[in-house]
Amino acid sequence: AQKVTQAQTEISVVEKEDVTLDCVYETRDTTYYLFWYKQPPSGELVFLIRRNSFDEQNEISGRYSWNFQKSTSSFNFTITASQVVDSAVYFCALSEKIIQGAQKLVFGQGTRLTINP
Amino acid sequence: SAVISQKPSRDICQRGTSLTIQCQVDSQVTMMFWYRQQPGQSLTLIATANQGSEATYESGFVIDKFPISRPNLTFSTLTVSNMSPEDSSIYLCSVDGTGRIGTQYFGPGTRLLVL
Repeated sequence: AQKVTQAQTEISVVEKEDVTLDCVYETRDTTYYLFWYKQPPSGELVFLIRRNSFDEQNEISGRYSWNFQKSTSSFNFTITASQVVDSAVYFCALSEKIIQGAQKLVFGQGTRLTINP
Repeated sequence: SAVISQKPSRDICQRGTSLTIQCQVDSQVTMMFWYRQQPGQSLTLIATANQGSEATYESGFVIDKFPISRPNLTFSTLTVSNMSPEDSSIYLCSVDGTGRIGTQYFGPGTRLLVL
């Protein structure tokens, strides 16, 4: 079965510091997708990124960057120059094929990130 | 991405009662999903709802406890039956992201407290 591990339960940094959130996964599928979601205090889950297992290029979006390394089954997320608004719980997720071609998401336990002013 | 709404946004219920949560999407979608997030925990899939067929439940979840309806391509309901305090959670619905395999977009969630 698929498994996602986010070993960091909580991280606290001072504003403007860089912070990396770790994600390690296990899967038997040859094709799969990895995701990061943000859950601010409001509770809504916000989609951040999807990565195809065949695409190992790193991606940057503003202050956010993602490092996908298939060799180590990791998909880490870095926030550069963190801001207080980045405070949230971040979930890493892995797709798993289910019925009729649909994919469900298997979530890690989440990392609570607190950015202090 | 689709715009998803859920009703109610929160509720406080007495044990032994049932609550039906509604999920409305602004566009037609094939699959809708229901997740549970217990306090301080991650998300766990309850079931997958495909229009016109019975919902498919994950291990540990049963239809008698969490009946689901999917009457059309834009709407679904989840009922939490015979509630106990252990059912206190956030319940989230999500939908497939069209053209982005595997991506799911989530509703705002329903915060349920059972006394």
